[in-house]
Amino acid sequence: DTAVSQTPKYLVTQMGNDKSIKCEQNLGHDTMYWYKQDSKKFLKIMFSYNNKELIINETVPNRFSPKSPDKAHLNLHINSLELGDSAVYFCASSLTGNTEAFFGQGTRLTVV
Amino acid sequence: GDSVTQMEGPVTLSEEAFLTINCTYTATGYPSLFWYVQYPGEGLQLLLKATKADDKGSNKGFEATYRKETTSFHLEKGSVQVSDSAVYFCASYSGNTPLVFGKGTRLSVIA
Repeated sequence: DTAVSQTPKYLVTQMGNDKSIKCEQNLGHDTMYWYKQDSKKFLKIMFSYNNKELIINETVPNRFSPKSPDKAHLNLHINSLELGDSAVYFCASSLTGNTEAFFGQGTRLTVV
Repeated sequence: GDSVTQMEGPVTLSEEAFLTINCTYTATGYPSLFWYVQYPGEGLQLLLKATKADDKGSNKGFEATYRKETTSFHLEKGSVQVSDSAVYFCASYSGNTPLVFGKGTRLSVIA
């Protein structure tokens, strides 16, 4: 009965590869997010989707492309991976009008 | 835009010591304020929140009071335990934007 689940939990890949991280929430929320946490633990918003529509797209390289097939899913595709993409990526969700966000366990991406 | 500033860590305390982690915010209007906690190897969990001025959020012995006059939301606990060792994030939410986080404060409690 996990609320926000991400897969995989760990991802090690070579530079130049393309990879995807999946996120699903079973809370009935209508807004989903991707955050990036760097090695110093700083959390920065990358994308925000509301009812499958992109609401916020912060300054993120266009190698990163979110895709929301339905309200319960927000996947993150990353093309041509670079060393600097190594980080922990968190998916989160919330309900419009409700202030609390629920986070997934994170995906630790290591680019070698 | 909104921003949150919290004290730099790491903070190292002995068990049963008093904890304060400072947090201040800047926002247009009156945001909701939160403390999230991240235990080693885990995601973020909501620890407590306050949605309006003078509200006090509390959970697991932690408390924080929303102070509009000082734009602060400091986290306190009277007696920390080893199990409180984690990274603590202050965050604000102003309605139309996602949560804005501070840079996190790592707390280590030693027995």
